[in-house]
Amino acid sequence: GQNIDQPTEMTATEGAIVQINCTYQTSGFNGLFWYQQHAGEAPTFLSYNVLDGLEEKGRFSSFLSRSKGYSYLLLKELQMKDSASYLCAVGNYGQNFVFGPGTRLSVLP
Amino acid sequence: DTAVSQTPKYLVTQMGNDKSIKCEQNLGHDTMYWYKQDSKKFLKIMFSYNNKELIINETVPNRFSPKSPDKAHLNLHINSLELGDSAVYFCASSQDGGAADTQYFGPGTRLTVL
Repeated sequence: GQNIDQPTEMTATEGAIVQINCTYQTSGFNGLFWYQQHAGEAPTFLSYNVLDGLEEKGRFSSFLSRSKGYSYLLLKELQMKDSASYLCAVGNYGQNFVFGPGTRLSVLP
Repeated sequence: DTAVSQTPKYLVTQMGNDKSIKCEQNLGHDTMYWYKQDSKKFLKIMFSYNNKELIINETVPNRFSPKSPDKAHLNLHINSLELGDSAVYFCASSQDGGAADTQYFGPGTRLTVL
């Protein structure tokens, strides 16, 4: 089974840095993914981690620690358009994605 | 050039009706999915399907059935609609269904059952 936890809501200021955490309980998985979903729109892929460590992709970085059952998404130089929900998802061996509940981020001017 | 498309975008219907939602992907992917996102925004997988295998989430009522005329299409048919079926339904696809595959989502279909 899978149990994924994320904070429900976060607020940050334009230009700041924000870290969105994701914790999970699983016996094993292939990859941990982060998706962005703007209100009323479809989720879109942001990043994924297969190995432990930090993956950087422009203003977005994602970190994974399998031993700790923990990942985070780091957003730098926040922009108003970054206001969205951020979904952590785990791809399990022999199964498909399981999404976390999502974190709704509000970026304030 | 929409990669994953769904129709209709909005669907309003009465309880007890039967309805279908269509999904098409032009990415050449082998695997397609249906997700349900309820009012609390929790995204839950309903089905994944490729040429070889249909994987059904055991919590999905058998009133829901996927139908795939070919690799590029996976339609969702719903019988005897209930109020609790109201949600946004997303279709998605990935290259080969591997657990490390990126999924590409369609724009969603907002179903309202009255």
